[in-house]
Amino acid sequence: QVQLVQSGAEVKKPGASVKVSCQASGYTFSNYYVHWVRQAPGQGLEYMGVMYPSAGTTFCAQKFQGRVTITWDTSTSTVYMELSSLRSDDTAVYFCAREEPRTCNFDYWGQGTLLTVS
Amino acid sequence: QSALTQPASVSGSPGQSITISCTGTSSDVGFYNYVSWYQQHPGKAPKLMIYDVTDRPSGVSSRFSGSKSGNTASLTISGLQPEDEADYYCSSYATNNDYVFGTGTKVTVL
Repeated sequence: QVQLVQSGAEVKKPGASVKVSCQASGYTFSNYYVHWVRQAPGQGLEYMGVMYPSAGTTFCAQKFQGRVTITWDTSTSTVYMELSSLRSDDTAVYFCAREEPRTCNFDYWGQGTLLTVS
Repeated sequence: QSALTQPASVSGSPGQSITISCTGTSSDVGFYNYVSWYQQHPGKAPKLMIYDVTDRPSGVSSRFSGSKSGNTASLTISGLQPEDEADYYCSSYATNNDYVFGTGTKVTVL
């Protein structure tokens, strides 16, 4: 079965960086996109960006450009999202989510990773 | 991208039908038929309930249905059940690889 398993909770200081991982299983990793979405405490979902493994490219939403780096390791079917220059308002749960190419929806989600910036 | 507008809360009694609206612009909801809906229970990851405006993934109850008119999409839950109590978010593709989510709606089953 398809699974996206994320790394554990993190606590970081303002100005630091964090790297969250999302390990995929149950499907051919290179055939699907993986997106990143975050949710601040008590708030809604916010789109961050995506990786396109077959094209070898990524996209980041304008708000996160320059601070978010998305990478991946095909050998371990793992996607990474690094967020730099952390601020207190980056405190949120970060989710990875899979997309079947060009369907524009997120059919499987990771369990979420809580990042606390304090 | 500005968030899509949803009502903060909607409630209904068991067995009733409720509808959640999701208002965007002619650059997202109004332009693309890539509107999806997600259900999120507290402390859990979102779950895909509707995609491509009207389609249901395998395993999602037929009590959930979607529609769209102009810049506004809607999710209807018929025969409301206690387990439907959750937060619901709409999402739309919004050009140049970007996506936008709705503000979220808390559904309460009275």
